[in-house]
Amino acid sequence: AQKVTQAQTEISVVEKEDVTLDCVYETRDTTYYLFWYKQPPSGELVFLIRRNSFDEQNEISGRYSWNFQKSTSSFNFTITASQVVDSAVYFCALSQETSGSRLTFGEGTQLTVNP
Amino acid sequence: ETGVTQSPTHLIKTRGQQVTLRCSSQSGHNTVSWYQQALGQGPQFIFQYYREEENGRGNFPPRFSGLQFPNYSSELNVNALELDDSALYLCASSPGLAGAVGQYFGPGTRLTVL
Repeated sequence: AQKVTQAQTEISVVEKEDVTLDCVYETRDTTYYLFWYKQPPSGELVFLIRRNSFDEQNEISGRYSWNFQKSTSSFNFTITASQVVDSAVYFCALSQETSGSRLTFGEGTQLTVNP
Repeated sequence: ETGVTQSPTHLIKTRGQQVTLRCSSQSGHNTVSWYQQALGQGPQFIFQYYREEENGRGNFPPRFSGLQFPNYSSELNVNALELDDSALYLCASSPGLAGAVGQYFGPGTRLTVL
């Protein structure tokens, strides 16, 4: 069985602060994929990034960066110099090779960036 | 390229009624998945269709059923609605079954059961 845990229910920061969203996952598959999605108040899930289990190279894309560590089963997401428009619910998700493209989501972290 | 679309946007039903939600997949995508997202929770997998056949189901009762059509669009049907069925229903499409491909989500249908 697979599971995704996002321990932080809500985070509130002031604009321009850096913020890290935590994600811990469980899976028995050796091949799996990790995702981050953003859900603004409109409700649509917006894809941010995908990483596969055999590529632990961390990535930076603009103000976003991701830290994938298999040793601790974590896939954390950092926003540098946060902006009010970053306010949303962020979901970490997992798919396993044996389960195809279906996703298992965490409970989400509500990020509020205050001006 | 047209993304995933869903209809209707909002829906209000009463207990015991039946509802049909619709989803058009992104161009070139042959796989559609449905998720239920209750308020304040993460999306939960309902089932997935690949080339008109059900390909996996989550922990949902048989009154949740679906269809996929030859053009890969899909329907989610829920019979005998219960209050707990009130949620945002999300449709996602992907260009295949492989875990690597990721899924692209529509805007969702918000169902309220009174």
